Amino acid sequence: GENVEQHPSTLSVQEGDSAVIKCTYSDSASNYFPWYKQELGKRPQLIIDIRSNVGEKKDQRIAVTLNKTAKHFSLHITETQPEDSAVYFCAASRSSGGYQKVTFGTGTKLQVIP
Amino acid sequence: KAGVTQTPRYLIKTRGQQVTLSCSPISGHRSVSWYQQTPGQGLQFLFEYFSETQRNKGNFPGRFSGRQFSNSRSEMNVSTLELGDSALYLCASSPGTGLGTEAFFGQGTRLTVV
Repeated sequence: GENVEQHPSTLSVQEGDSAVIKCTYSDSASNYFPWYKQELGKRPQLIIDIRSNVGEKKDQRIAVTLNKTAKHFSLHITETQPEDSAVYFCAASRSSGGYQKVTFGTGTKLQVIP
Repeated sequence: KAGVTQTPRYLIKTRGQQVTLSCSPISGHRSVSWYQQTPGQGLQFLFEYFSETQRNKGNFPGRFSGRQFSNSRSEMNVSTLELGDSALYLCASSPGTGLGTEAFFGQGTRLTVV
């Protein structure tokens, strides 16, 4: 089955710096890659996603890149702010037996130091 | 549209007891997945149900079981509770079909085993 590895597990950056979280996946049939943000005490929520026919997608200060050949994708946060502090999860999704199967990474705890 | 509802929100149980957690997905969603979240282990996949069938199962002992009903509501049961079962249990619902479908998480059930 699909295996999604996420690194690092924890990340501390100074406010204003950039943060990068990387994920690798094993199933070349995966074709949809969402990222979720979980603030303290809250549920994970989708912040950005990318499909396999796109190499990069941006939304204000966040961007996601996808390298299908290497089977890895990354989340980039620029000009980090304290409110970016949270746990971030990557996921890989593919069709399997008529339904869409999603596999999550284990998460990265990002701390932005003011 | 109502979100994903998990009940109860908090639970305190004694070692050796059993517990049943409930997850009501978004109306129309047929896929429900369960995760265990702990500070040290991140997000660990328990199992996934689609149209009342278990499609995938994570590496958890047989004490962890689940089921899905015809209305897509899902329950998970943990028998013979251990201290290490203390965690936040999250469920996520998605349509289950179609590319690029977002998974929506419930607020979780915080289980404490004493």
